[in-house]
Amino acid sequence: DTAVSQTPKYLVTQMGNDKSIKCEQNLGHDTMYWYKQDSKKFLKIMFSYNNKELIINETVPNRFSPKSPDKAHLNLHINSLELGDSAVYFCASSQETGVGVNVLTFGAGSRLTVL
Amino acid sequence: ILNVEQSPQSLHVQEGDSTNFTCSFPSSNFYALHWYRWETAKSPEALFVMTLNGDEKKKGRISATLNTKEGYSYLYIKGSQPEDSATYLCACTLGGYQKVTFGTGTKLQVIP
Repeated sequence: DTAVSQTPKYLVTQMGNDKSIKCEQNLGHDTMYWYKQDSKKFLKIMFSYNNKELIINETVPNRFSPKSPDKAHLNLHINSLELGDSAVYFCASSQETGVGVNVLTFGAGSRLTVL
Repeated sequence: ILNVEQSPQSLHVQEGDSTNFTCSFPSSNFYALHWYRWETAKSPEALFVMTLNGDEKKKGRISATLNTKEGYSYLYIKGSQPEDSATYLCACTLGGYQKVTFGTGTKLQVIP
């Protein structure tokens, strides 16, 4: 199936650990994103990559490091996890179909719980 | 307006009622306005994207309008059904092409 898939779906870990969430899309899109859904259910953009190049970094702590080995993958590595990192992280991809027109296709989300 | 804002935050309507909600956005550096539907335990799914002032889109009982000069969009649902219950997200592409900024959503509950 064509989709944006992210793994793991659930992740429970201790404070201070390092963890990664992986994202892959087989839609042939050029742009990929990470969004964080906060406690108020608000989707906040963290990073955006276009053809493996970082184009948006929204004042995210440098404990968060995205990596895009190719345009179909965008992984999120988080060092020294803190309680406040607990959230649902959504990966998305898009293809620009007109000037500034980027309709996002989302993954299912990865729920991170830091204890 | 500096951010994408939606109102109301939530609403309950009776099955069969029509309803609408609002998205406000900065009118400068505007490229596109998106509406997404987000059901519980699922991912947001795109409903419409609009770019031009006066654009109107329709999909079944759901329609949307866009006013880029004053910076707002309306989403309308005609004859609400329980399956319409979801959070409706508005998002804008502002400034950089790939920066899609979401509003906080309107949570709709349709009561049978």
